[in-house]
Order: sequence, then C-alpha cells, then structure tokens
Amino acid sequence: EAQVTQNPRYLITVTGKKLTVTCSQNMNHEYMSWYRQDPGLGLRQIYYSMNVEVTDKGDVPEGYKVSRKEKRNFPLILESPSPNQTSLYFCASSPDRYWNTEAFFGQGTRLTVV
Amino acid sequence: AQSVTQLDSQVPVFEEAPVELRCNYSSSVSVYLFWYVQYPNQGLQLLLKYLSGSTLVESINGFEAEFNKSQTSFHLRKPSVHISDTAEYFCAVTIITGRRALTFGSGTRLQVQP
Repeated sequence: EAQVTQNPRYLITVTGKKLTVTCSQNMNHEYMSWYRQDPGLGLRQIYYSMNVEVTDKGDVPEGYKVSRKEKRNFPLILESPSPNQTSLYFCASSPDRYWNTEAFFGQGTRLTVV
Repeated sequence: AQSVTQLDSQVPVFEEAPVELRCNYSSSVSVYLFWYVQYPNQGLQLLLKYLSGSTLVESINGFEAEFNKSQTSFHLRKPSVHISDTAEYFCAVTIITGRRALTFGSGTRLQVQP
C-alpha cells in the first residue's frame, strides 16, 4: 500500500530536549515536505526537499532542521524544542516537482512541548 | 510569493442543503489550484484540482470548483451535502514556475447538521 508513515503519532516532551519525528514514504517520490498545522493558520511549510541531500527552507523554518540522506526518509529534527512548537505536524510527498499530482500525507504527529 | 485566503473559518449547514466554500489566491505568476479535505484525526486527501483546460472541475463525491482567473478565485461547491462531508477543507496552490511544495489557506471547517 502506498503510504507516508510518521512516527510517533503523539509526543509530549519538555523544553530543550532534542527530538526527531521520522517520516518515510514507500512510493519512491523525489519531493517531500514538512508542514505544521495550527488553528486558524492552516498548514504552513517548514522545509521541503527536492531529492537526496537537496533541501530548502519553507515559510517557518526557525527552530527546525531536516536531513535527506535517503530518498524514502525525511526526518524533522527539533534540537531545542520550545512551547511555541506545540503543533500538529504533517509530512508529505509527491512524485512531481510542482506537486500537481496527488500529494500523499502522513497521519500527523501531535507534539506538545511543556 | 503566492498566498491563499479562505474567508470562512467555519461553515455550518444542514444536511441536503447546498454549500460554497470560498477561496481566493494571490500570485504574480500562473498557478495550479487544489482542494484538500481532512477528516477527523486523519491526514489530508486530494479532493480536486485545476491544472489547465476546463475551468470547472469535479470530484467523485459531488463537489465541484470553478477557476476564475479574473477574480483569482477557486470556490468549492456542492449542491447537496451529507453528514459524511463534515471535515476541514483546505484550498492550496503551487506556482507553475516554482520549486516549492503546496501553499495552503487557513482552512474551512464544514459542519453538516442533521
């Protein structure tokens, strides 16, 4: 089954404790992206990747890092989480550069930073 | 940079009534337009899209949207809604010459009441 898998689904952590949210897709897509979803703000892009070792900042990259060492994986790293990073996070992938075929989204990771 | 505005954060409607969810976009270049739907506790799914050709596009579950270039709009409509249509709906764009992923609006929560 074609899917994007995120882990964990739920996470509560403390301020400053480094964490990684994993994202893996089994469709051999070149293009991947991370979003955060906040009430009233919709989904805002954090980082995106066009291929292995090729990443770029989205609209809200501060406080986040990503890596793309393998085509299937695109982890999101919070080196020193803060309460304003409490949010619902989605990873997405697409087979095409302009994302004009269907984008595939993970189930989401609900992060709470206390 | 492109942007998307969804004017209505919530739309309550009775079952079998018609509904329109509004979306306006801003971009200095040509865009592709999308509507994604998010059911409770799930990721986003593509509902329909406009890439080129006929300005009226339809989904398999009775939704339709019309691209209006002069008004820079892509409103979503359904003539008769069901309880199962209760979800959050996101309008999104990508720019044709761009290399970034989808830019989303803030979302509209459709609440269908019996």
